[in-house]
Amino acid sequence: QVQLQESGPGLVKPSETLSLTCTVSGGSISSYYWSWIRQSPGKGLEWIGYIFYTRSMKYNPSLNSRVTISVDTSKNQMSLRLTSVTAADTAVYYCARSVIVIIPTTQNFYYYGMDVWGQGTTVTVSS
Amino acid sequence: QSVLTQPPSVSAAPGQKVTISCSGSSSNIGNHYVSWYQQLPGTAPKLLIYDNNKRPSGIPDRFSGSKSGTSGTLGITGLQTGDEADYFCGTWDSSLSVVVFGRGTKLTVL
Repeated sequence: QVQLQESGPGLVKPSETLSLTCTVSGGSISSYYWSWIRQSPGKGLEWIGYIFYTRSMKYNPSLNSRVTISVDTSKNQMSLRLTSVTAADTAVYYCARSVIVIIPTTQNFYYYGMDVWGQGTTVTVSS
Repeated sequence: QSVLTQPPSVSAAPGQKVTISCSGSSSNIGNHYVSWYQQLPGTAPKLLIYDNNKRPSGIPDRFSGSKSGTSGTLGITGLQTGDEADYFCGTWDSSLSVVVFGRGTKLTVL
């Protein structure tokens, strides 16, 4: 059974960089897409972006200039970096396995949902 | 303001049935699959329905999903007090190029 575990600092200062890691256990990080999602009381669930093990990725345009998602297949881990954070970035951050199919010949994109979630990690942006 | 609209809350008595709607547009629900998530207090979301109406292994058949046009619906029958949670819909939006979620519906089992 695949399990995900987020880890990283719970407190980040304004203007600094938020860095989180998602460790995949019970299965391989290869062959699936992996997403970061955050949840704050004011904005509900917000998708941050996804990455495939081949390092193909897509980010939410609203965060695009500040976000980097990477994958380390040797460690079975995915990482998130969010630069220049403000109080608005305070949230619970989740990683999740995303079921996505992209047909190579047509580039048709099919998103089915997120079937495995980590327990989430709370990040507070404050000085 | 979310691109997917859900009612803020619904309620029903134990044993009864409830439906939760998720309204979108042609750029999201109209042309993409809907998924539904249950979030119990203090826990991570859990996938209940994917591909509009399919249940992952382990999800009881009390939970069902449907889609018509630009709206999706989650149905829960035989309500139990343990079903009290927030329920979210989600899908892909091809105009925004993002995964989008509804703001969530709080279910109260009276």
